[in-house]
Amino acid sequence: SAVISQKPSRDICQRGTSLTIQCQVDSQVTMMFWYRQQPGQSLTLIATANQGSEATYESGFVIDKFPISRPNLTFSTLTVSNMSPEDSSIYLCSVRRERYQETQYFGPGTRLLVL
Amino acid sequence: SQKIEQNSEALNIQEGKTATLTCNYTNYSPAYLQWYRQDPGRGPVFLLLIRENEKEKRKERLKVTFDTTLKQSLFHITASQPADSATYLCALDMNRSGGYQKVTFGTGTKLQVIP
Repeated sequence: SAVISQKPSRDICQRGTSLTIQCQVDSQVTMMFWYRQQPGQSLTLIATANQGSEATYESGFVIDKFPISRPNLTFSTLTVSNMSPEDSSIYLCSVRRERYQETQYFGPGTRLLVL
Repeated sequence: SQKIEQNSEALNIQEGKTATLTCNYTNYSPAYLQWYRQDPGRGPVFLLLIRENEKEKRKERLKVTFDTTLKQSLFHITASQPADSATYLCALDMNRSGGYQKVTFGTGTKLQVIP
C-alpha cells in the first residue's frame, strides 16, 4: 500500500483566488493522479502528474486552470486557479506504485468551498 | 465512451444479512474491474479486483462476481455489520494510454447496515 497525505484538508476561498493543494507519498511511486469528486458525483480524473514534464490532462481540463507540478517521485501539487463556486469539490490525489499496477491508493482529499 | 451504472439509491439492510451491490457497464468489456470503499470525508480504499477471465473472487466476507455477457459485476458482503456502512464504488479500466490503463469510477452505492 501507500500512505498519502494532502494539505490542506479543507479550505474556504473567495472567488477569483487560487489554491495550491499538496500531495505527499511515504515512498516513491511511478504514477500520480489528481481527481475531482463533486457532491453526489463519481470521481473524475483531472490529469496524470508526470515527473519532470507537463501533466497529461483529461478532456475538459486545461493547464491554465489546473496547473500541476511533480518535482519528484513522492510529491505533487495541484493548483485550482481563478476559482469560481463551480470549483467547490473534493480534490483527491491518487497513486500507483508501478505503471502497470491496477490498484490505486488515494489520499484523504481536500475539501474546497468557493464563495 | 465507457459508462458505469451503480444503483444511486441507498441500500439499507439488517445486520447479519448479505448485502448485494450491482455495477453495470455499457460498452466494451474491461480487462478488470475493481471495488472500492469510501467513507465520508475520506478517499476511496481498494477492496477487490477481478479480471475478465475470472468469474468470482473472494476475500474474507467479500465476494465479487464478473459476468462479461451481462456486462455486470455483483459485490456481496456476507454477515454484514454496521461497520460495513459506507459508499462502495465500482471502477474499471477506460483505455490504455502511455502504456497504462486509466480507470473510471461509478457514482457509488451507499450501504447502510442497520443494527
